[in-house]
Amino acid sequence: EVQLVESGGGLVQPGGSLRLSCAASGFTFSSYWMSWVRQAPGKGLEWVANINQDESGKYYMDSMKGRFTISRDNARNSLFLQMNSLRAEDTAVYYCARIYCTRTSCYYDYWGQGTLVTVSS
Amino acid sequence: DIQMTQSPSSLSASVGDRVTITCRASQGIGYHLAWFQQKPGKAPKSLIYDASSLQSGVPSKFSGSGSGTDFTLTITSLQPEDFATYYCQQYTSYPYTFGQGTKLEIK
Repeated sequence: EVQLVESGGGLVQPGGSLRLSCAASGFTFSSYWMSWVRQAPGKGLEWVANINQDESGKYYMDSMKGRFTISRDNARNSLFLQMNSLRAEDTAVYYCARIYCTRTSCYYDYWGQGTLVTVSS
Repeated sequence: DIQMTQSPSSLSASVGDRVTITCRASQGIGYHLAWFQQKPGKAPKSLIYDASSLQSGVPSKFSGSGSGTDFTLTITSLQPEDFATYYCQQYTSYPYTFGQGTKLEIK
């Protein structure tokens, strides 16, 4: 059974940093693209970043470029999101999601339960 | 960026009804469209990919259609567990973008 379990969320002051983790199990983690998606309280879903299998490809939402860094450790079956210079508008539930790729498209199939990040003084 | 616009934003329906939700892309995305279901306090659940393909384990009461810029999600024979918020998402180019969501409520 595919499982994605996020951790590392919490309360952080504006300008602070936080590192989110996503522990993957039930599949060959190193074979898949992975992604972070967030959802502000009462709002819709917003894509954050994607990473390919060997970290040679990383893609970010413009508003997070330079502040957020996506990475992975295939030996530990883990995905990470390092978030720096946090702002109040970064307050959201952050979801880890697996991307399934065919020859012609790549799409989300499994999601974690999310971890809440609150940026406030 | 490609804008995704869903309609309606909210929808009231009764158990047993058939409903259709529309998603429009601001430019052509081929068939690179997914639909998700989200219940309050829960993670999104993947329903459909490539506009019309059902994710594994998703019942056939859910169906998707469309290509290019106009897409639909149809749910037949609504049951209490189907009342949720539904999102479309394009994955043809970065940044990936989602529709604003359609809240399906019980009438």
